[in-house]
Amino acid sequence: KAGVTQTPRYLIKTRGQQVTLSCSPISGHRSVSWYQQTPGQGLQFLFEYFSETQRNKGNFPGRFSGRQFSNSRSEMNVSTLELGDSALYLCASSLVVISGNTGELFFGEGSRLTVL
Amino acid sequence: AQKVTQAQTEISVVEKEDVTLDCVYETRDTTYYLFWYKQPPSGELVFLIRRNSFDEQNEISGRYSWNFQKSTSSFNFTITASQVVDSAVYFCALSEAWSNYQLIWGAGTKLIIKP
Repeated sequence: KAGVTQTPRYLIKTRGQQVTLSCSPISGHRSVSWYQQTPGQGLQFLFEYFSETQRNKGNFPGRFSGRQFSNSRSEMNVSTLELGDSALYLCASSLVVISGNTGELFFGEGSRLTVL
Repeated sequence: AQKVTQAQTEISVVEKEDVTLDCVYETRDTTYYLFWYKQPPSGELVFLIRRNSFDEQNEISGRYSWNFQKSTSSFNFTITASQVVDSAVYFCALSEAWSNYQLIWGAGTKLIIKP
Protein backbone atom coordinates (compact mmCIF):
# COMPACT_ATOMS: atom_id res chain seq x y z
CA LYS A 1 0.00 0.00 0.00
CA ALA A 2 1.11 3.57 -0.55
CA GLY A 3 3.18 5.12 2.22
CA VAL A 4 2.98 8.56 3.75
CA THR A 5 3.36 11.21 1.07
CA GLN A 6 4.68 14.67 1.78
CA THR A 7 4.75 17.58 -0.62
CA PRO A 8 6.70 19.49 -1.60
CA ARG A 9 9.92 17.62 -0.94
CA TYR A 10 12.10 20.71 -1.15
CA LEU A 11 11.36 24.39 -0.99
CA ILE A 12 13.17 27.65 -0.52
CA LYS A 13 11.54 30.69 1.04
CA THR A 14 12.71 34.05 2.30
CA ARG A 15 12.29 35.52 5.75
CA GLY A 16 8.83 36.87 6.44
CA GLN A 17 7.10 34.63 3.93
CA GLN A 18 4.76 31.83 4.85
CA VAL A 19 4.75 28.20 3.81
CA THR A 20 2.23 25.37 3.68
CA LEU A 21 3.32 21.74 3.75
CA SER A 22 1.07 18.84 2.91
CA CYS A 23 0.89 15.28 4.19
CA SER A 24 -1.21 12.39 2.93
CA PRO A 25 -1.27 9.55 5.45
CA ILE A 26 -1.49 5.87 4.74
CA SER A 27 -5.02 4.92 3.78
CA GLY A 28 -7.03 4.12 6.90
CA HIS A 29 -4.74 6.01 9.27
CA ARG A 30 -6.59 8.77 11.08
CA SER A 31 -3.80 10.03 13.30
CA VAL A 32 -1.25 12.39 11.79
CA SER A 33 1.62 14.01 13.64
CA TRP A 34 4.29 16.48 12.57
CA TYR A 35 7.91 16.80 13.62
CA GLN A 36 10.66 19.30 12.97
CA GLN A 37 14.21 18.04 12.56
CA THR A 38 17.20 20.37 12.72
CA PRO A 39 20.89 19.71 13.31
CA GLY A 40 20.84 21.85 16.44
CA GLN A 41 17.59 20.86 18.14
CA GLY A 42 17.17 17.38 16.72
CA LEU A 43 13.68 15.95 16.36
CA GLN A 44 10.91 17.89 18.00
CA PHE A 45 7.20 17.21 18.13
CA LEU A 46 5.00 19.88 16.58
CA PHE A 47 1.42 18.63 16.79
CA GLU A 48 -0.88 15.67 16.37
CA TYR A 49 -4.25 15.49 14.68
CA PHE A 50 -6.97 12.89 14.84
CA SER A 51 -10.33 13.11 13.09
CA GLU A 52 -9.74 16.77 12.19
CA THR A 53 -8.99 17.73 15.81
CA GLN A 54 -5.65 18.76 17.24
CA ARG A 55 -5.01 16.45 20.17
CA ASN A 56 -1.49 17.39 21.17
CA LYS A 57 0.75 20.33 20.59
CA GLY A 58 4.46 20.69 21.15
CA ASN A 59 6.29 23.73 22.39
CA PHE A 60 6.37 25.86 19.25
CA PRO A 61 5.23 29.45 18.73
CA GLY A 62 1.84 30.27 17.28
CA ARG A 63 3.43 30.86 13.87
CA PHE A 64 3.28 27.10 13.49
CA SER A 65 -0.20 25.80 12.84
CA GLY A 66 -1.84 22.84 11.25
CA ARG A 67 -5.08 21.28 10.29
CA GLN A 68 -6.51 17.98 9.20
CA PHE A 69 -9.19 17.37 6.64
CA SER A 70 -12.01 14.85 6.63
CA ASN A 71 -9.96 12.51 4.43
CA SER A 72 -7.18 12.58 7.10
CA ARG A 73 -4.83 14.57 4.91
CA SER A 74 -3.04 17.20 6.91
CA GLU A 75 -1.32 20.50 6.29
CA MET A 76 0.98 22.53 8.41
CA ASN A 77 1.62 26.20 7.97
CA VAL A 78 4.45 28.37 9.16
CA SER A 79 3.88 32.10 8.94
CA THR A 80 6.43 34.92 9.09
CA LEU A 81 9.31 32.58 8.42
CA GLU A 82 12.56 32.99 10.31
CA LEU A 83 16.00 31.67 9.42
CA GLY A 84 15.73 29.20 12.30
CA ASP A 85 12.71 27.57 10.69
CA SER A 86 14.99 25.93 8.14
CA ALA A 87 14.53 22.25 8.82
CA LEU A 88 13.27 18.91 7.64
CA TYR A 89 9.58 18.68 8.47
CA LEU A 90 8.41 15.12 8.90
CA CYS A 91 4.87 13.86 8.92
CA ALA A 92 3.84 10.53 10.40
CA SER A 93 0.62 8.61 10.41
CA SER A 94 -0.62 5.92 12.75
CA LEU A 95 -3.41 3.42 13.15
CA VAL A 96 -3.49 3.97 16.92
CA VAL A 97 -6.67 5.75 17.94
CA ILE A 98 -5.80 6.80 21.49
CA SER A 99 -4.14 10.13 21.92
CA GLY A 100 -0.41 10.42 21.63
CA ASN A 101 2.36 8.23 20.34
CA THR A 102 2.09 4.75 21.80
CA GLY A 103 2.42 2.71 18.67
CA GLU A 104 4.23 2.45 15.39
CA LEU A 105 4.50 5.63 13.39
CA PHE A 106 4.85 5.56 9.62
CA PHE A 107 6.88 8.50 8.36
CA GLY A 108 7.08 10.31 5.09
CA GLU A 109 10.39 11.38 3.57
CA GLY A 110 9.85 14.90 4.76
CA SER A 111 9.74 18.39 3.33
CA ARG A 112 13.06 20.19 3.47
CA LEU A 113 12.53 23.88 4.00
CA THR A 114 15.30 26.40 3.54
CA VAL A 115 14.69 29.95 4.69
CA LEU A 116 17.00 32.60 3.23
CA ALA B 1 17.25 18.16 31.29
CA GLN B 2 17.78 15.50 28.64
CA LYS B 3 15.03 12.96 28.94
CA VAL B 4 16.46 10.63 26.32
CA THR B 5 20.21 10.43 26.09
CA GLN B 6 22.09 8.78 23.30
CA ALA B 7 25.63 9.46 24.35
CA GLN B 8 27.21 7.99 21.22
CA THR B 9 27.09 10.63 18.50
CA GLU B 10 28.74 8.44 15.91
CA ILE B 11 29.93 4.84 15.81
CA SER B 12 32.01 3.32 13.05
CA VAL B 13 32.61 -0.43 12.79
CA VAL B 14 33.70 -2.87 10.15
CA GLU B 15 31.11 -5.10 8.58
CA LYS B 16 30.28 -8.28 10.52
CA GLU B 17 31.19 -6.72 13.86
CA ASP B 18 28.56 -6.53 16.58
CA VAL B 19 27.58 -3.06 17.73
CA THR B 20 25.48 -1.74 20.60
CA LEU B 21 23.73 1.60 20.58
CA ASP B 22 23.00 3.00 24.02
CA CYS B 23 19.86 4.77 25.15
CA VAL B 24 19.26 6.10 28.65
CA TYR B 25 15.96 7.70 29.52
CA GLU B 26 14.59 9.73 32.38
CA THR B 27 11.00 9.61 33.58
CA ARG B 28 8.99 9.76 36.77
CA ASP B 29 6.00 8.24 35.08
CA THR B 30 5.11 4.61 35.66
CA THR B 31 3.42 4.29 32.29
CA TYR B 32 5.58 5.05 29.30
CA TYR B 33 6.72 3.71 25.95
CA LEU B 34 10.17 3.43 24.45
CA PHE B 35 10.95 3.24 20.76
CA TRP B 36 13.79 2.80 18.33
CA TYR B 37 13.65 4.27 14.83
CA LYS B 38 16.13 4.10 11.96
CA GLN B 39 16.67 7.04 9.62
CA PRO B 40 18.45 6.14 6.37
CA PRO B 41 19.83 8.89 4.10
CA SER B 42 16.47 9.16 2.30
CA GLY B 43 15.07 10.83 5.42
CA GLU B 44 12.02 8.85 6.45
CA LEU B 45 12.14 7.33 9.90
CA VAL B 46 11.51 3.60 10.04
CA PHE B 47 10.00 2.01 13.13
CA LEU B 48 12.07 -0.79 14.66
CA ILE B 49 10.55 -1.59 18.03
CA ARG B 50 8.25 -0.40 20.80
CA ARG B 51 8.36 -1.38 24.45
CA ASN B 52 5.95 -0.34 27.19
CA SER B 53 7.06 0.19 30.76
CA PHE B 54 5.36 -2.95 31.97
CA ASP B 55 7.17 -5.27 29.61
CA GLU B 56 10.83 -5.72 30.40
CA GLN B 57 11.30 -8.74 28.20
CA ASN B 58 14.22 -8.45 25.86
CA GLU B 59 13.48 -8.93 22.22
CA ILE B 60 15.33 -10.40 19.29
CA SER B 61 14.40 -9.88 15.68
CA GLY B 62 16.89 -11.44 13.31
CA ARG B 63 20.21 -9.65 13.78
CA TYR B 64 18.61 -7.01 15.99
CA SER B 65 18.11 -7.30 19.72
CA TRP B 66 16.99 -4.92 22.43
CA ASN B 67 17.81 -4.91 26.12
CA PHE B 68 15.31 -3.01 28.28
CA GLN B 69 16.40 -2.52 31.91
CA LYS B 70 14.21 -0.36 34.13
CA SER B 71 16.73 -0.58 36.98
CA THR B 72 19.23 1.41 34.92
CA SER B 73 16.66 3.28 32.78
CA SER B 74 18.25 1.94 29.65
CA PHE B 75 16.94 0.54 26.39
CA ASN B 76 19.97 -0.53 24.38
CA PHE B 77 19.98 -1.81 20.83
CA THR B 78 22.44 -4.38 19.50
CA ILE B 79 23.08 -5.27 15.89
CA THR B 80 24.82 -8.61 15.47
CA ALA B 81 27.00 -9.25 12.43
CA SER B 82 26.49 -5.73 11.12
CA GLN B 83 26.03 -5.09 7.41
CA VAL B 84 26.65 -2.03 5.26
CA VAL B 85 22.87 -1.61 4.87
CA ASP B 86 22.64 -1.00 8.61
CA SER B 87 24.37 2.34 8.12
CA ALA B 88 21.90 5.02 9.23
CA VAL B 89 21.06 7.32 12.09
CA TYR B 90 19.26 5.52 14.91
CA PHE B 91 16.94 7.31 17.28
CA CYS B 92 15.63 6.27 20.65
CA ALA B 93 12.41 7.93 21.81
CA LEU B 94 10.17 8.07 24.86
CA SER B 95 6.48 8.86 25.30
CA GLU B 96 4.99 9.34 28.75
CA ALA B 97 1.43 9.20 30.03
CA TRP B 98 1.65 12.53 31.88
CA SER B 99 2.43 14.43 28.67
CA ASN B 100 -0.27 12.68 26.71
CA TYR B 101 2.34 10.48 25.08
CA GLN B 102 4.16 13.17 23.14
CA LEU B 103 7.32 11.69 21.66
CA ILE B 104 10.61 12.89 23.07
CA TRP B 105 13.56 11.97 20.92
CA GLY B 106 17.17 11.31 21.66
CA ALA B 107 19.80 13.12 19.60
CA GLY B 108 20.46 10.05 17.50
CA THR B 109 23.50 7.88 16.87
CA LYS B 110 25.02 7.83 13.42
CA LEU B 111 26.14 4.30 12.64
CA ILE B 112 28.68 3.76 9.89
CA ILE B 113 29.36 0.23 8.76
CA LYS B 114 32.49 -0.03 6.64
CA PRO B 115 32.82 -2.87 4.13
